[in-house]
Amino acid sequence: TQLLEQSPQFLSIQEGENLTVYCNSSSVFSSLQWYRQEPGEGPVLLVTVVTGGEVKKLKRLTFQFGDARKDSSLHITAAQPGDTGLYLCAGAKSGAGSYQLTFGKGTKLSVIP
Amino acid sequence: DAGVIQSPRHEVTEMGQEVTLRCKPISGHNSLFWYRQTMMRGLELLIYFNNNVPIDDSGMPEDRFSAKMPNASFSTLKIQPSEPRDSAVYFCASRRGTGTYEQYFGPGTRLTVT
Repeated sequence: TQLLEQSPQFLSIQEGENLTVYCNSSSVFSSLQWYRQEPGEGPVLLVTVVTGGEVKKLKRLTFQFGDARKDSSLHITAAQPGDTGLYLCAGAKSGAGSYQLTFGKGTKLSVIP
Repeated sequence: DAGVIQSPRHEVTEMGQEVTLRCKPISGHNSLFWYRQTMMRGLELLIYFNNNVPIDDSGMPEDRFSAKMPNASFSTLKIQPSEPRDSAVYFCASRRGTGTYEQYFGPGTRLTVT
């Protein structure tokens, strides 16, 4: 069972467009992370959200953690070709096994110049 | 500062051969993770070490897989014998302390078993 569902699976847009990708679960997470992975490289951490309802901004990227801490979204404004990559969300649970991150399968974003 | 270092970056081997993947975590990080990434299953945790001790190896697929961490600066993941279904990208990640969830990934080893 996939604990974290990411949608859409693939997204191809023109440079300058806005987009939102989603990360949903039936489980509650103590924190959620977003990573970006470029071809031939490992995932790189973009942000960690901890509090339900939290919104964090990283330049043109806006991350939101759902009030119930079961879901998250990533919004990109005026996408650039450099935003191309695989966006992964990962949830962490508190208590026993809190070291473990559960990863979604990712959204593969292509931004066309 | 050097990030997580993995070697080799690419490995092509024949079915039945032994494969050893290597990882050097970031200095000062005391947690180390081995992951496997495939299109079908995404990123899967194979094993987690804390202070060089294996804490959770429930993600290791079967007895053909083994991992060691002889010291704080080196870990290996070994597959013996390898099978075509082991073809994947294997990542090592490290983390500083246990109070943070932030993991830093290496560039990965792309393994192809023919």
